[in-house]
Amino acid sequence: GQQVMQIPQYQHVQEGEDFTTYCNSSTTLSNIQWYKQRPGGHPVFLIQLVKSGEVKKQKRLTFQFGEAKKNSSLHITATQTTDVGTYFCGWKETSGSRLTFGEGTQLTVNP
Amino acid sequence: EAEVAQSPRYKITEKSQAVAFWCDPISGHATLYWYRQILGQGPELLVQFQDESVVDDSQLPKDRFSAERLKGVDSTLKIQPAELGDSAMYLCASSSTFPSSYEQYFGPGTRLTVT
Repeated sequence: GQQVMQIPQYQHVQEGEDFTTYCNSSTTLSNIQWYKQRPGGHPVFLIQLVKSGEVKKQKRLTFQFGEAKKNSSLHITATQTTDVGTYFCGWKETSGSRLTFGEGTQLTVNP
Repeated sequence: EAEVAQSPRYKITEKSQAVAFWCDPISGHATLYWYRQILGQGPELLVQFQDESVVDDSQLPKDRFSAERLKGVDSTLKIQPAELGDSAMYLCASSSTFPSSYEQYFGPGTRLTVT
């Protein structure tokens, strides 16, 4: 069956360092979304990736979808304390299926 | 900016009691979702509505959970009877059909504690 792993589970960085979280699937995905959840808050949509090899940027955030549509990553350049939170990937096996979320990567940033 | 409203924000109940949560999606959003989020995990979809129709309730424990969206606007999720394992955050989300249907907007959630 479908197996998607999100790694790492936790990441502690010094402010200014880079951060990357990965979602890796055993099967091809239709699309993948990324959400951020601040401590005590609710998930907030960041981006959706649909095409093979797609790369999208939002200021310091870079999102990639692998060529085989089995892997995705979120990279933050020069982290800031405002980046603290849990980053979730959510995927769909087919375009009409439910969105399934990963376990999340909890990011802490030391000032 | 329009937001998804949920109430109550916090609920403490004893096991075997009934509990209900309410959600008002962003105006005009046809799709409404109820998720359960256990601490340290990602949200898990319980039920998805398209207007007033259920399109996915495969993960809803139907022996104790029920959800309705009678007029295709606001929605209620009920648990009866509540069990200790139901303690979690219950999140409501909504999404539009046009111009895109994929971005989900989450409400603040209802944190349920069952004692």
